[in-house]
Amino acid sequence: DQQVKQNSPSLSVQEGRISILNCDYTNSMFDYFLWYKKYPAEGPTFLISISSIKDKNEDGRFTVFLNKSAKHLSLHIVPSQPGDSAVYFCAASAPGSWGKLQFGAGTQVVVTP
Amino acid sequence: EAGVVQSPRYKIIEKKQPVAFWCNPISGHNTLYWYLQNLGQGPELLIRYENEEAVDDSQLPKDRFSAERLKGVDSTLKIQPAELGDSAVYLCASSQRTGGVETQYFGPGTRLLVL
Repeated sequence: DQQVKQNSPSLSVQEGRISILNCDYTNSMFDYFLWYKKYPAEGPTFLISISSIKDKNEDGRFTVFLNKSAKHLSLHIVPSQPGDSAVYFCAASAPGSWGKLQFGAGTQVVVTP
Repeated sequence: EAGVVQSPRYKIIEKKQPVAFWCNPISGHNTLYWYLQNLGQGPELLIRYENEEAVDDSQLPKDRFSAERLKGVDSTLKIQPAELGDSAVYLCASSQRTGGVETQYFGPGTRLLVL
């Protein structure tokens, strides 16, 4: 049962433009959401997170938006840079789950010059 | 600060052979996780340790998989015997709760190929 879904397996965006990655979840108990970035042959790297008490969190070029009623979150990257080309994973955890993260399948982002 | 260290980075074995993976977490991180990542999918939790205690091993296939974290620092994940379907990337992560939230930091993973 996939509780976290990233329905777009890939995204191509031009350098300097905005990248928007989407993530949907089904478990209303999730209260903490994270985005990880993964380069080939490396482990996922923590990018940004958001608690369910907020609807937006910003860190430099990266902003995560949370819409609890729609069970949807998105990651905006502005402006996109070639070094942003990677696989991005959305993850979520619920209270009392011992920090267990449920991951989406990932979205491959390619930033073209 | 050193990140999560894993070894080996790559391993090729024949089916029915045993294999072991090693993980050294970030210094001071009491919580350690082992994840399995299949191609085209996100990581899936196998086991979580709080110090030396396995607090969640519900996803660990205990007929062939075992893990230990003796002394609450390094950890070893073992498969015996390996099957073809075990070919995947095995990720180790560690975390420390700060300000009520817990962020997991991942190692580079061990890519296993079972022939």
